[in-house]
Amino acid sequence: GQNIDQPTEMTATEGAIVQINCTYQTSGFNGLFWYQQHAGEAPTFLSYNVLDGLEEKGRFSSFLSRSKGYSYLLLKELQMKDSASYLCAVRDRSNYQLIWGAGTKLIIKP
Amino acid sequence: GAGVSQSPRYKVAKRGQDVALRCDPISGHVSLFWYQQALGQGPEFLTYFQNEAQLDKSGLPSDRFFAERPEGSVSTLKIQRTQQEDSAVYLCASSRGGQEIGTQYFGPGTRLLVL
Repeated sequence: GQNIDQPTEMTATEGAIVQINCTYQTSGFNGLFWYQQHAGEAPTFLSYNVLDGLEEKGRFSSFLSRSKGYSYLLLKELQMKDSASYLCAVRDRSNYQLIWGAGTKLIIKP
Repeated sequence: GAGVSQSPRYKVAKRGQDVALRCDPISGHVSLFWYQQALGQGPEFLTYFQNEAQLDKSGLPSDRFFAERPEGSVSTLKIQRTQQEDSAVYLCASSRGGQEIGTQYFGPGTRLLVL
C-alpha cells in the first residue's frame, strides 16, 4: 500500500531550529515535495527532492534518503509566521499523482 | 491575476442539491488536479487533466462526482445529489506539466458544507 507518515504536531520556540520528519512507503518514487499550508489557506510549494542529499533554500532545507524512505524539512531561525502545517508528498510511479501525508502542525511560541 | 482562482469560496448546500465548483488555472498550465481535503488531513486526489483530457479519475469517490475541462483551461467539478459526507474543502491545482508536474500551484479552495 501507499503510506506517508509524519508527526501530527510539533512545538518550537521563535528563533530556534526545528526538524520535521517524513517516512514513506509507496509503489514507486519520482520525487518528494514539501508544502506549507497556513490555516484556511491553500498549500504552497516549499521544496522538491529527487536525489539523495540536502537541498537548501534560505531558512528552509529538505533532505532525502531514498534507501531509507525518509525525508526531513529543517526550518531555521523560526519566525511566528512559520506557524502552519507542513505537508510531505511523494510523486509515485504515475509521474503525476502526489501521495500526501496528513501534515505536521507546527506551533511556534515566543 | 497570476494565481489559481476558485469559485465560490464557500458553498452551503442542502442534502440532495447539485453543486458546481469552478477552477481557473494559471494561464498556460497544461496539468490540472482536483483534491478533496478534510480538516486536519492532507489533500486526497480526485482527478487529473492534461489539457482537456481527463487522464485519471480514479479518486472520484462515487459516480455523483463529475469533472470536466472542455477547452483545456477552466475546469468544473460537479457533485450531484450532495451528501453530508461530501462536506470538505475542494482544492484545485495546476502545473506546467512534464518534469515540473509535481510543483503544483493551488487555488484557495471551495469550502463545501452540506446540511
